[in-house]
Amino acid sequence: VQLVESGGALVQTGGSLRLTCSASEFTFSNYGMTWVRQAPGKGLEWVSFISSRGVSTYYADSVKGRFTISRDNSKNTLYLQMNSLRGEDTAIYYCAKCPGGSSGWYIRTFDYWGHGTLVTVAS
Amino acid sequence: DIRMTQSPSSLSASVGDRVTITCRASQSVSTNLNWYQQKPGKAPNLLIYTSSNLQSGVPSRFSGSGSETDFTLTISSLQPEDFATYYCQQSYSTPSTFGQGTRLEIK
Repeated sequence: VQLVESGGALVQTGGSLRLTCSASEFTFSNYGMTWVRQAPGKGLEWVSFISSRGVSTYYADSVKGRFTISRDNSKNTLYLQMNSLRGEDTAIYYCAKCPGGSSGWYIRTFDYWGHGTLVTVAS
Repeated sequence: DIRMTQSPSSLSASVGDRVTITCRASQSVSTNLNWYQQKPGKAPNLLIYTSSNLQSGVPSRFSGSGSETDFTLTISSLQPEDFATYYCQQSYSTPSTFGQGTRLEIK
């Protein structure tokens, strides 16, 4: 399993950014995917989940209405569109694979992770 | 949201020691509890899923137990590569939530 994130950058408060996670070495379309973030020196925070076919999506309250998760199974790629960015969104963003596709503990367990991409929101 | 609380927050131990980290959930999560290891500058790595199941490739010195609200991660004989931060995480309900982490340091 290979997961490679990109798209992290320094952005102004209120700005937008799109993160990309390129997946390989597994059948991407069979698995749910998630984004987890980690603020500098802090713990882990789950951000968003998308089911294997993209039918179901879930968000943390802290990003609901501002972030949108999506996927393109034909390109083995996961996305996170981030709008109205705030200082508290500054973090390393990891994409992670779930061991299952659409429900149960499978979609809330993260068995493979990318290396992460840094998003810095500055005023 | 379910709150996860780990103890201790930090721990000093020596190579060869047996170490136990605990995790408590604010409500029952059945056995839907995972453990991750994170080394500095690296992504987290899944060690244990559903309380006691060892992820493929993880050494057998790691073990997990517990149910409902109380869980433990045990390392039977610490190795130099085990010094890291450990996180518990409940997979019972959305939003999934993590403990604050336990930093395991060399004594």
